[in-house]
Amino acid sequence: NAGVMQNPRHLVRRRGQEARLRCSPMKGHSHVYWYRQLPEEGLKFMVYLQKENIIDESGMPKERFSAEFPKEGPSILRIQQVVRGDSAAYFCASSPPLSGGPLHFGNGTRLTVT
Amino acid sequence: DQQVKQNSPSLSVQEGRISILNCDYTNSMFDYFLWYKKYPAEGPTFLISISSIKDKNEDGRFTVFLNKSAKHLSLHIVPSQPGDSAVYFCAASASHAGGTSYGKLTFGQGTILTVHP
Repeated sequence: NAGVMQNPRHLVRRRGQEARLRCSPMKGHSHVYWYRQLPEEGLKFMVYLQKENIIDESGMPKERFSAEFPKEGPSILRIQQVVRGDSAAYFCASSPPLSGGPLHFGNGTRLTVT
Repeated sequence: DQQVKQNSPSLSVQEGRISILNCDYTNSMFDYFLWYKKYPAEGPTFLISISSIKDKNEDGRFTVFLNKSAKHLSLHIVPSQPGDSAVYFCAASASHAGGTSYGKLTFGQGTILTVHP
């Protein structure tokens, strides 16, 4: 049973470009969470999605960031017009339909903005 | 506003000895606590959890203790092994309106554990 798959593992973007991060949850999991880890810090919650629905986006920056989890295909975290402060590790996690229990994390996408 | 704090950035322990990692929280709504282990360039891996209705949970070499009155939890690893060397994150969540916790976790900053052979 494959775990949470994230790609790309590393992404380099110039300031002003767009970054697209993809996450495929574990088989049977329909809940997806995105977290961000800035250097020397813990992980910070960004957004919680179910298929075709954003459930909680209280951790998302108000501008330039968006997330979706379509009916078919992976979840996408999109960052428009990236700035140097967006450089971080972005982790996706998934959980099964019935809530409760620990999250299973992917290995993350390391975004570097030059 | 750091609701979950791990005040020790690092801990060094001899192989075979006990490792004790500490975590404090401020939000009294938290009712589910977890410890994750993280190796460089990998995602966090779940280790052990505890619900607020308990004060201890044990799984093999790992035991988590919860002191609700002090808003403090700790992870004990006995005996420590070199393969335990990693960053350990404490995390907490609060039940939402439906009565169950979901995956909105608040993480501490992490403690780097080094176990020397």
